[in-house]
Amino acid sequence: QQQVKQSPQSLIVQKGGISIINCAYENTAFDYFPWYQQFPGKGPALLIAIRPDVSEKKEGRFTISFNKSAKQFSLHIMDSQPGDSATYFCAATSGSARQLTFGSGTQLTVLP
Amino acid sequence: SQTIHQWPATLVQPVGSPLSLECTVEGTSNPNLYWYRQAAGRGLQLLFYSVGIGQISSEVPQNLSASRPQDRQFILSSKKLLLSDSGFYLCAWTVGSYGYTFGSGTRLTVV
Repeated sequence: QQQVKQSPQSLIVQKGGISIINCAYENTAFDYFPWYQQFPGKGPALLIAIRPDVSEKKEGRFTISFNKSAKQFSLHIMDSQPGDSATYFCAATSGSARQLTFGSGTQLTVLP
Repeated sequence: SQTIHQWPATLVQPVGSPLSLECTVEGTSNPNLYWYRQAAGRGLQLLFYSVGIGQISSEVPQNLSASRPQDRQFILSSKKLLLSDSGFYLCAWTVGSYGYTFGSGTRLTVV
């Protein structure tokens, strides 16, 4: 059972545009929602994260919006750059062992 | 500083051969350790996690096993590899915080 659903699977954006990736979850025990960025052949790197008691978090060009009642959260990349081209994963964690459950990933391509 | 080492970076193994992938963490104590697998173009699947020496939890029944012989060492093994074991294997750790740090991964191709 997929506990974190991510869309779209792929996204093409022009340089300077806004990239938006959406995720939805089912498990209300999740208490931490990170986003990871992965370049080909590399391990994922933490990009930005949010706790469910906050509706929005912004770090530079990256913003997470969180809707607890709808059990949805999204990543917005403002002024998208070709260097942002990568695969983005949303995730959610819970439990004392802090296991991460990942979405299926979004391959972002930013055209120059 | 805290670092995670994972090796080898790439591995090509024949079907039926054994496997041993190693992950070590430096600069921290008593980390939670995790093994993930990523199939080509797919998401990350949690395979095993460990909250302490000798403590292993399996998320997915399969042809693989894990061990944690030392506090900062996590090993992924198989006695006989299958074609379906091919993938990108990632080790990760976290200590007391909510963020994971991933290793650089091992690309395993079973032929």
